[in-house]
Amino acid sequence: SQQGEEDPQALSIQEGENATMNCSYKTSINNLQWYRQNSGRGLVHLILIRSNEREKHSGRLRVTLDTSKKSSSLLITASRAADTASYFCATDAGTGGFKTIFGAGTRLFVKA
Amino acid sequence: DTGVSQDPRHKITKRGQNVTFRCDPISEHNRLYWYRQTLGQGPEFLTYFQNEAQLEKSRLLSDRFSAERPKGSFSTLEIQRTEQGDSAMYLCASSPRRNTGELFFGEGSRLTVL
Repeated sequence: SQQGEEDPQALSIQEGENATMNCSYKTSINNLQWYRQNSGRGLVHLILIRSNEREKHSGRLRVTLDTSKKSSSLLITASRAADTASYFCATDAGTGGFKTIFGAGTRLFVKA
Repeated sequence: DTGVSQDPRHKITKRGQNVTFRCDPISEHNRLYWYRQTLGQGPEFLTYFQNEAQLEKSRLLSDRFSAERPKGSFSTLEIQRTEQGDSAMYLCASSPRRNTGELFFGEGSRLTVL
């Protein structure tokens, strides 16, 4: 079963616009991560935010975490055509183990 | 560092045949994961190893699936008597001893069962 649910399922924007993707999860977590996947390729880690953090930045990426609402958002600013990919949130499910569970993803298409 | 390597990248087989995928993790990474991904979906957890011990196995992993990591280095995922529903991308990931939470993925092995 998948822990996270991303919203929207698909997003199409113009180059230069910002893209916001949301993730909701079901159980308590220790951390939440965002990954990117280009079509037909493996996943690449973007950013990790711990449960005691509320916001984190990395380059053009901004991630927020609201543990009271069990939700996170990923903002990509000034998007580029090269940002076209699927984006997945992933959590550790708070089990104390090392299993990482992924959501169904948001497909982002950035038009040049 | 050569990254996580998976072989083969593509496999086409007939229903009922057995297939085996291999994953070579990043050296010194002690945890190794297998995921399955179908088109338009996120990766689904199958199993993971810490060194050579298989610590968790999903209910998705039927009796036809077996994974091994005999020496705590590379891993194999075997699917016996393949079915058309097994068609998917099989992704391997590894993570280091120091638990950063980050997974390092290979490029995947795409299986097509005819």
